[in-house]
Amino acid sequence: AQSVTQPDIHITVSEGASLELRCNYSYGATPYLFWYVQSPGQGLQLLLKYFSGDTLVQGIKGFEAEFKRSQSSFNLRKPSVHWSDAAEYFCAVGALFRTGNQFYFGTGTSLTVIP
Amino acid sequence: SQTIHQWPATLVQPVGSPLSLECTVEGTSNPNLYWYRQAAGRGLQLLFYSVGIGQISSEVPQNLSASRPQDRQFILSSKKLLLSDSGFYLCAWSAPRGGQGHIYEQYFGPGTRLTVT
Repeated sequence: AQSVTQPDIHITVSEGASLELRCNYSYGATPYLFWYVQSPGQGLQLLLKYFSGDTLVQGIKGFEAEFKRSQSSFNLRKPSVHWSDAAEYFCAVGALFRTGNQFYFGTGTSLTVIP
Repeated sequence: SQTIHQWPATLVQPVGSPLSLECTVEGTSNPNLYWYRQAAGRGLQLLFYSVGIGQISSEVPQNLSASRPQDRQFILSSKKLLLSDSGFYLCAWSAPRGGQGHIYEQYFGPGTRLTVT
């Protein structure tokens, strides 16, 4: 069965420090992987996606993620966090079904940035 | 470019009252459409998805229903709201399945905050 695990419910980092948010997935085929960010009371915004090819993908707002098949992971990173990065982050995997595409989301990681 | 709209933005309804939330997409055709619910501090729960007009798949049995009367319109309804229906409702769209089974990313609307009192 398809699933996504984000083991860190909440992370606090200092502004300017590096960030890594963990994501592990379970999927039987080649995964389609996504990271989204959600500010309070807002919808989700796509940060980046992985379909195939280079395992290090670049996204918006200075984020990047690395796909590691051997570890079933797709961790999100940023070298220097800004206060505006404080938000909820969701990892997702896309799955193919005969009846249509479905997406499975992790429970999210809440990021707090301290000055 | 494509845009997705949801309304209303916020809604306060008494228990037992009906519900109708609307989602529309512009700038694309034949999108896959999705309704999610997000409880406070929780992840996303897929409620319904649709690959075409009149085609609705339900993921969670409950007192909610969905309809797709037009290609780019997706409606979430209830005849009688429960307290447990409170939450943040998100509509999303993605391009239909591509060649070789490609999956396209989802784009989300701004959401509707529903409070059932």
